[in-house]
Parts: sequence; C-alpha cells; structure tokens
Amino acid sequence: DQQVKQNSPSLSVQEGRISILNCDYTNSMFDYFLWYKKYPAEGPTFLISISSIKDKNEDGRFTVFLNKSAKHLSLHIVPSQPGDSAVYFCAASSYGGSQGNLIFGKGTKLSVKP
Amino acid sequence: DGGITQSPKYLFRKEGQNVTLSCEQNLNHDAMYWYRQDPGQGLRLIYYSQIVNDFQKGDIAEGYSVSREKKESFPLTVTSAQKNPTAFYLCASSNGRDSEAFFGQGTRLTVV
Repeated sequence: DQQVKQNSPSLSVQEGRISILNCDYTNSMFDYFLWYKKYPAEGPTFLISISSIKDKNEDGRFTVFLNKSAKHLSLHIVPSQPGDSAVYFCAASSYGGSQGNLIFGKGTKLSVKP
Repeated sequence: DGGITQSPKYLFRKEGQNVTLSCEQNLNHDAMYWYRQDPGQGLRLIYYSQIVNDFQKGDIAEGYSVSREKKESFPLTVTSAQKNPTAFYLCASSNGRDSEAFFGQGTRLTVV
C-alpha cells in the first residue's frame, strides 16, 4: 500500500506560468516532507522541505504548502522555466520506527515548454 | 569537495552472479541508504544504516545484502536470489532525522 502518492504521472506547463505538483500521504506519523528533482540517469537533488509544524515554506521560485488535515502537500514553481523540466519526487519521513527514512512517491514528470 | 560517490555508473552482469555496488561519502554523515528505481516507480528503500556496524532492512531487502564496516562506505551486494535485479540503484546519506538526503549519481545495473 502506497503511503506517499503522486497521482499525476506527468504535467505540462508553459514557460512563465505556475507549475503545481501534488502529493498525498496516508501515514499520519509523517512529520517531515521533502521534494526532490531528478534528471534522467542522475541522482535526485533536494529542492525544498517542510516540517509538519508549518503550513508553508518558500525558497525563491519554489513554495511548498502542507495541509495536514487533508494529508496533502503541493509544490508550486513560479515562474516555470524550461530548466525545471524533470521528474519531481515527493518524500516523507517519520520519527520513531522508521528512524527518519524517506518514503517516496512515484514521481511527476514536469515538462515546461518554451 | 564533499559528496557521495557511486561506482560504477553502468554495470553488466550475467544472470546468477552476485555483484557489489560501491557507495562512498565524505560528508561525515551517520546515516546511509540504498534505494532502487524502476520505470514508473518511485524510489524504494532496500537497506539503511543509521550507524557503523548496524543496518536494517527496508521495504524490498530480499535478494540484497549490505555491510557498514566504515562510516564512509555502504556497499550493496545484489545476490543471485534477487529475481529482477535490472534497475537503477541510488545510494544516499543524511545527517539525521530532519535533514535532506544527499544522493549519489546512481548505478544502472543490467543483468543479461
């Protein structure tokens, strides 16, 4: 059973517009969430994170929103650029049994068209 | 330059052979992880180690083995018991619970 779900396998956006990538989770023990960006044949690189005590975290063009009651988080990229085209993975971790290991979603492939 | 290094980048092996993937980090991180990525799948955890000489199974540990004799190194052995070993393998390290994991560039293993 998937604990972290990214229900959109792909997303296409025009350059300059907003990209919104969504992620849902089922485990209420998750208390730390991260977004990673991945290019083909490379390791993922960390993008932005948010702790469950916050509902928003912003870093330049990237903002992550967390809705704990809905068990939902989203990544907003504004404005989108062609270089943002990549696969974006949502990840979550919980203290306790899993010792902070990251559980990943399946990823959303973002294509930003010039 | 601090980082995490996986080698080799590409690896080919015959079916039935064991193969070991290397992962080294000089970030002084305590925790290290191995993930596997298959097309259309997220990253799935194979094994993790929070401290030297200790490691735990992840979600898909069957057919794999690891060791953590040194803080810097966390090699993964793909054994002949792994039914579908062809995949992209990613090693990661982190400095604690609420910190991001840093990933290596990955090893693509193809078993023929």
